[in-house]
Parts: sequence; C-alpha cells; structure tokens
Amino acid sequence: AAGVIQSPRHLIKEKRETATLKCYPIPRHDTVYWYQQGPGQDPQFLISFYEKMQSDKGSIPDRFSAQQFSDYHSELNMSSLELGDSALYFCASRIDRGGVSEQFFGPGTRLTVL
Amino acid sequence: KQEVTQIPAALSVPEGENLVLNCSFTDSAIYNLQWFRQDPGKGLTSLLLIQSSQREQTSGRLNASLDKSSGRSTLYIAASQPGDSATYLCAVRLLMDSSYKLIFGSGTRLLVRP
Repeated sequence: AAGVIQSPRHLIKEKRETATLKCYPIPRHDTVYWYQQGPGQDPQFLISFYEKMQSDKGSIPDRFSAQQFSDYHSELNMSSLELGDSALYFCASRIDRGGVSEQFFGPGTRLTVL
Repeated sequence: KQEVTQIPAALSVPEGENLVLNCSFTDSAIYNLQWFRQDPGKGLTSLLLIQSSQREQTSGRLNASLDKSSGRSTLYIAASQPGDSATYLCAVRLLMDSSYKLIFGSGTRLLVRP
C-alpha cells in the first residue's frame, strides 16, 4: 500500500540558510499535517492543511511557512535557519473512513543546521 | 490543557517477557487514541488505533486498551522479542481551539534483551 513520502530524507544546512521539505500524502487523503520532533522530544504539531487550505496552526515559527498544492503535496519552507531548528520533521496524512480518523506518518526528514 | 504522560520512560526486559506500557491523559474528551512505534531516527509507525467508544484493539502480539473515564490506555506486548526494541508513543486526538489535534506523550523506550 502507498505510504506518505517525504523528501529529502536528510538535509544539512548552515545557519541563516533556507530549506524546503516536501511531503506527498497517501492518495485520497484530504489532510496533511507537519510535525517537528527535536532530539529526545515528542513530536510537536506545526501546521495542517485540509483540501489545500490551511486548517490549523500550532507552534510554527514565523520564519516557517507551508502550503499545499493542487496535487495535494505539501511543502514546508524554512528561512533564516537556526541551530535549534535541527530536528526530525514529519508529515502525516489523514483520512476519515466510516467515522474513524487516523493519521499515517511519513519517514521524516532529518534536518541538521550547522 | 491536555497532557499525555507515558510511564515508564524506559524499560529493559529479557526476551519472552510479557509487558505493559502505560499512557495517561488529563482530558477524557478524546476522539481517539493511537499507539505508535518509532525506531531510532526513523518515522512513526501506527500500531493500533482505539476510537473513544472502544475498549480495546488487538493486532498480533499487541493489545491496546482504553479507559476513557479514567484517562488511561495500556499497550500490552506479549512474548516480547528483540525486534520489539523501539520507542513507543501514544497520542490522543481531541478537539482543541475548534480543530482536531494529535497530542503525543513523550514515549517509552523499550529494550528487549536477547
């Protein structure tokens, strides 16, 4: 079965650079979520999109932005990178089926800021 | 504010042992609860999802129970194997600020010794 695809899997950037992370949800899933997981931390919700519109915003810094495109893939854009942005970034997609709502997570993108 | 707590934070057991991981949450008005497995530096794999109206779910050697009124869930792993070594995260889905959010616990790091 198709899973959530994230690219790149690993990314190394320097401080003040920009980064773009991509997420391809499972086909026919209508909602995409972005999470940030720092070292030894639990995943923290950043932002979500439903049918290409931003549906919710969590602890996403103003330096970050995201969007969902017509093909439902999503991109997380990160500017003025800081050392503290080093983390694993997960994308998840969600579908409601028969009243059951479940999120499926991608493998994550490991961002290292030097 | 919903808080999700997992006890113990770390667990080391010999192979073959049956074990129980605990998850508690402060707000019982949850929509559902998911248990995930995370291998070091890797993504989140959904193990079991329990709807708020359900009491338990089973998949192979895994059994998850939910007691919504007391704010508790347990993940029971039967006949543990070294391949079960991973971090186990529970997450509750609930309505917050007019939208559904997934709130994670900090995880239990499990080591199954051969």
